[in-house]
Amino acid sequence: KQEVTQIPAALSVPEGENLVLNCSFTDSAIYNLQWFRQDPGKGLTSLLLIQSSQREQTSGRLNASLDKSSGRSTLYIAASQPGDSATYLCAPYSGGGADGLTFGKGTHLIIQP
Amino acid sequence: SAVISQKPSRDICQRGTSLTIQCQVDSQVTMMFWYRQQPGQSLTLIATANQGSEATYESGFVIDKFPISRPNLTFSTLTVSNMSPEDSSIYLCSVGDRVGRETQYFGPGTRLLVL
Repeated sequence: KQEVTQIPAALSVPEGENLVLNCSFTDSAIYNLQWFRQDPGKGLTSLLLIQSSQREQTSGRLNASLDKSSGRSTLYIAASQPGDSATYLCAPYSGGGADGLTFGKGTHLIIQP
Repeated sequence: SAVISQKPSRDICQRGTSLTIQCQVDSQVTMMFWYRQQPGQSLTLIATANQGSEATYESGFVIDKFPISRPNLTFSTLTVSNMSPEDSSIYLCSVGDRVGRETQYFGPGTRLLVL
């Protein structure tokens, strides 16, 4: 059974800093991995999808990397802004009968103005 | 990307009652899923809603407690039956096509409080 760990659990930094959020997973036989953000009281917004054959994906100030063999992914946020404050969730997709995603507990990020 | 709506957005219910949550998508999708997010926890998959057949439930979730319908490719319902305070959670609908190849999208969620 896939297990996902995200470190740190919480992070509070002043705006402008570059950040790295970490995700590790136990089953490296994944098809892809998604990073989401969740704002308080809201649903999930997909940020990046990395296929298992890819090493990284970029969208604006966000860059996600994937090291499938070691079971790790990182989300890099450049020049952080207060609007980046949210919980960031990592979800590798391992396949299986129900085809759903396995989520970590997330990193709660606060960017101080 | 798919636009997903859920009804109700939130509700407060008495124990022993049931609540049906609706999920509507603006386009036809292959896969629809229901997740639960308990307070302070991450998301857990409840089941995959299958069009035209019974839902596929994850370990720990049963049809009697969480009956699911999916009458077509754009709509699904999740019922939380005989509720107890432990059912207080956010319930999220998600959709995807050819999951494992493409992005999975989530609805805004339904916040349920059971007293």
